[in-house]
Amino acid sequence: EAQVTQNPRYLITVTGKKLTVTCSQNMNHEYMSWYRQDPGLGLRQIYYSMNVEVTDKGDVPEGYKVSRKEKRNFPLILESPSPNQTSLYFCASSSGIMYTDTQYFGPGTRLTVL
Amino acid sequence: DAKTTQPPSMDCAEGRAANLPCNHSTISGNEYVYWYRQIHSQGPQYIIHGLKNNETNEMASLIITEDRKSSTLILPHATLRDTAVYYCIVRAVNQAGTALIFGKGTTLSVSS
Repeated sequence: EAQVTQNPRYLITVTGKKLTVTCSQNMNHEYMSWYRQDPGLGLRQIYYSMNVEVTDKGDVPEGYKVSRKEKRNFPLILESPSPNQTSLYFCASSSGIMYTDTQYFGPGTRLTVL
Repeated sequence: DAKTTQPPSMDCAEGRAANLPCNHSTISGNEYVYWYRQIHSQGPQYIIHGLKNNETNEMASLIITEDRKSSTLILPHATLRDTAVYYCIVRAVNQAGTALIFGKGTTLSVSS
């Protein structure tokens, strides 16, 4: 089954404790990205990657890092989480092929930073 | 900013057709209309997209006006599981793979 998986699904942590949220897709997609969703602000892109070893900032990259060492994986790293990073996070992937560029989203990771 | 305008909410009786409108009066010739939905706190789900012709798939139909300034997503027989926020997004062909710009969407409530 074609899917995007994220782990963990829920995470409660404390300020300053480094964490990684994993994302993996099994569709051989070129493009992957991370969004965060906050009440009243909608979905906003954090980082995206157009291919292996190619990443770029989205609209709200501050406080986050990503890496794309393999095509299927795109982990989101919070080196020193802060309470304002409490949010619902989604990973997404797409083929990037024009005319059929549908994005597939993971189930989400609900992060709480105390 | 989103290039689309949608009503904030709509109601629909189970089994009836749900018709969700979207205005995109500034749409360009190379921009498609995409529809996604998000069921409470789940990841957004692709529904359908089109350029100028009407489109139908197993989930829904998309009707685009001749001038392409508006469109309607039709769920032919809405069920309780169709209760979700529906997003209409316009997107150029050369933006493939880049961020989707989600507006506020329409919250569709399907009731029995």
